[in-house]
Amino acid sequence: DAGITQSPRHKVTETGTPVTLRCHQTENHRYMYWYRQDPGHGLRLIHYSYGVKDTDKGEVSDGYSVSRSKTEDFLLTLESATSSQTSVYFCAAHPGTATDTQYFGPGTRLTVL
Amino acid sequence: GESVGLHLPTLSVQEGDNSIINCAYSNSASDYFIWYKQESGKGPQFIIDIRSNMDKRQGQRVTVLLNKTVKHLSLQIAATQPGDSAVYFCAERAGGEKLTFGTGTRLTIIP
Repeated sequence: DAGITQSPRHKVTETGTPVTLRCHQTENHRYMYWYRQDPGHGLRLIHYSYGVKDTDKGEVSDGYSVSRSKTEDFLLTLESATSSQTSVYFCAAHPGTATDTQYFGPGTRLTVL
Repeated sequence: GESVGLHLPTLSVQEGDNSIINCAYSNSASDYFIWYKQESGKGPQFIIDIRSNMDKRQGQRVTVLLNKTVKHLSLQIAATQPGDSAVYFCAERAGGEKLTFGTGTRLTIIP
């Protein structure tokens, strides 16, 4: 599982509040990803990182920002949460060498009321 | 995991039988494919992968078949067990380091 942890695992918040989700990996993987998973849509890429301080947008990046100040941590921020951001969020990591497989964390269930 | 939804395609298989889960992909430039298993409340778990220069790859109780002519991928699970109950989905890579995921198939094992 590439030693990926996510925190918090569950969060309930109100519309308009800022929320930060944290992903931590212990395998020194170069690439990290944030996805959201919703019924009927499968996993959709929000943002990804290809190194410290190097990030890029995915297909559903509006309303989200990310930061990666250390190899092991990748933060996802919702500046002002909306009900449409209620979802399960998964972090993944990929070493960038030897294998192309992405390994996933356990997920964070976010509810925006 | 449980948020994947109730309207997924469903496959019900008798315990001990073989399961075949199918996936159609859209990008003829895709060069790498992965099958994931997702149990309720958990993150996707890697099962097996295959590159586009191969037609078949086998793992422990699982086989992935790739038909590039019709852009079709299948996962075969031999001697299905109760622990195989989960949502299975495929992912494809069409260049770069990003994957595109299918919406999944829910496999239910009948005792």
